[in-house]
Formats: sequence, C-alpha cells, structure tokens
Amino acid sequence: GAVVSQHPSWVICKSGTSVKIECRSLDFQATTMFWYRQFPKQSLMLMATSNEGSKATYEQGVEKDKFLINHASLTLSTLTVTSAHPEDSSFYICSALTGRVNEQFFGPGTRLTVL
Amino acid sequence: AQSVTQLGSHVSVSEGALVLLRCNYSSSVPPYLFWYVQYPNQGLQLLLKYTTGATLVKGINGFEAEFKKSETSFHLTKPSAHMSDAAEYFCAVGSGTYKYIFGTGTRLKVLA
Repeated sequence: GAVVSQHPSWVICKSGTSVKIECRSLDFQATTMFWYRQFPKQSLMLMATSNEGSKATYEQGVEKDKFLINHASLTLSTLTVTSAHPEDSSFYICSALTGRVNEQFFGPGTRLTVL
Repeated sequence: AQSVTQLGSHVSVSEGALVLLRCNYSSSVPPYLFWYVQYPNQGLQLLLKYTTGATLVKGINGFEAEFKKSETSFHLTKPSAHMSDAAEYFCAVGSGTYKYIFGTGTRLKVLA
C-alpha cells in the first residue's frame, strides 16, 4: 500500500516552454502532497506544500509564478514549470501524506532537462 | 527550527564489514527521524523511522538506528555490508507539521 506515482519519469523540453509533472497517490487519498527538487549529487530541497482544494504554500526563495502547483483532487497534484530554462533542469520528487501515519511516501521522481 | 547534519558525504566499506552512517539533528520539539535510501535516478525508499517509543529501530534490509536524545543522534548501522547496499542515504527530521528537513546525504560505496 501507499504507492505514489509520477508522470512523466523523464522529460526533455526546449527553453521557454512549460512542462507539467503529475503526482498521484494510487491506493490512498492524500490531503497533503509535497514537491521537492534535487540537483545532481545534492539533497532534496522542499519547494512547496500542496493541500487539496487550497493554494500551495511555497518555501522561501521558490517562485510561485514559475512553479505552479495544483492539488485538484485527493489523489492528484501537478507541478507546472512555466517558461522553463536550463537552470530549472533538475530531479523533481513528490511525496504524499496518508494522514494516518507520520510518514511521507515518495514518488519515483521526474528528471527534467531543459535545452 | 530543525536541522540535520550527516557527517561524511562519502563512506566506503568492504563487503561484510560494519556500515555506520552518522546523523545528528537539531530540533526544538520532539523529532520524528527517518533514514531513506536512494538508488540512481530513483525516488526515496524508507529504511526506518523513529517517532516515539523504543529508541532502537529496526528497518528493512538489516539496517537499524538508535535514537539518542542526549547525543541528538540517529546513526544508521548494518552489521554486514552487501554490494547491493551501495547507494545514497539520507537522514531526515520532521515534526508534527510533517515537513521534513533532509541532510545532505551520504554516498555509500561497498568494496568487493
């Protein structure tokens, strides 16, 4: 149980385009999801906390107009990287809370490469 | 505020030797502590966690960790390393807000 999926697993796009990444909780309802980014050989940095039906809460230094987060249902949160640039290239990982245990369940990640 | 320090960005051990990965934390509230493993281009897999109760926590794949409040530590150990243990390991601290703070990671290399 408690499986989280992400789609796509990898994406390559041209500079200036927008990319949408989906995060789904497959066998549970997630009232809260988190989005992280991870640069090569570095740790995970929390970008934002996403709550179903409300606006996401962004961490300091994260541009909310660039990284649009939508948590439209209890099983789906999306991260849209708008007007992507090469410096946005990273590994993006989502996680979800079940609400029943003190643990986040992580998705497999999405590798974004912006050319 | 919470923070995590992982001592040693790279650790090498021989196959069959003891694995010890160090993690120290800082927290103004009772912490939740986690160890995750990450293989290349994959997400994080939970090895073990401490929330309350027994301070010695056993996880998957033979790993265990001990919560030592007096030392603010949560070191990860495994008696005998396998080649398949080679990966990146992250320690994380959380609290009732469920936000996690991750350490910088330790890359474990297992030598044949």
